[in-house]
Amino acid sequence: DIVMTQSPATLSVSPGERATLSCRASQSVSSKLAWYQQKPGQAPRLLISGASARATGIPARFSGSGSGTEFTLTISSLQSEDFAVYYCQQYIKWPLTFGGGTKVEI
Amino acid sequence: EVHLLESGGGLVQPGGSLRLSCAASGFTFSNHDMHWVRQALGKGLEWVSGISGSGDITYQPDSVKGRFTISRDNSKNTLFLQMNGLRAEATAVYYCARAAPGEGARFDYWGQGILVTVSS
Repeated sequence: DIVMTQSPATLSVSPGERATLSCRASQSVSSKLAWYQQKPGQAPRLLISGASARATGIPARFSGSGSGTEFTLTISSLQSEDFAVYYCQQYIKWPLTFGGGTKVEI
Repeated sequence: EVHLLESGGGLVQPGGSLRLSCAASGFTFSNHDMHWVRQALGKGLEWVSGISGSGDITYQPDSVKGRFTISRDNSKNTLFLQMNGLRAEATAVYYCARAAPGEGARFDYWGQGILVTVSS
């Protein structure tokens, strides 16, 4: 199975600052990488697919980059509604696997 | 508007069975692969099962093969997950999720989730 490792586990950021989240795959996933945001008590929400393509309705402050085994989600200027847990997911190979998540906190 | 609504969760004893349902609306159900993803309380996301739009191909991790069965009824726009031989580690919120259009299983719509508790 492809193991997805996210870092850091927790990221403390002030509103208006930039946040950079990392996701590493144990083998190449090409660009078959998605990012999700999850707030407490809610289902995850798709932010990015294809490593860098924003999903419908996702603000431009969210951007994804990378390919192969190293990926980054950047939130350019954190808004209050962005404090949440973020997961990466590979979809190049079965079984689908998620990273352990990064919690972005104030 | 796309809407996914899970039902059928609850408390079940170890070794027992449970059948989850997910009622879909707001899109052409048969055009989309569908999946189940679970999340133990306070933990991360774990993919559980997937099924093609026509229902003829299913995908599962080894952790649930032989115990969980995914199926769908396209005439009723409903997705199912039959879970047998349940163990305590299956305790989680179970989400149904729609695979986004195009290539690759990433999930653009999710249900609100349903809690399954396996305990004596």
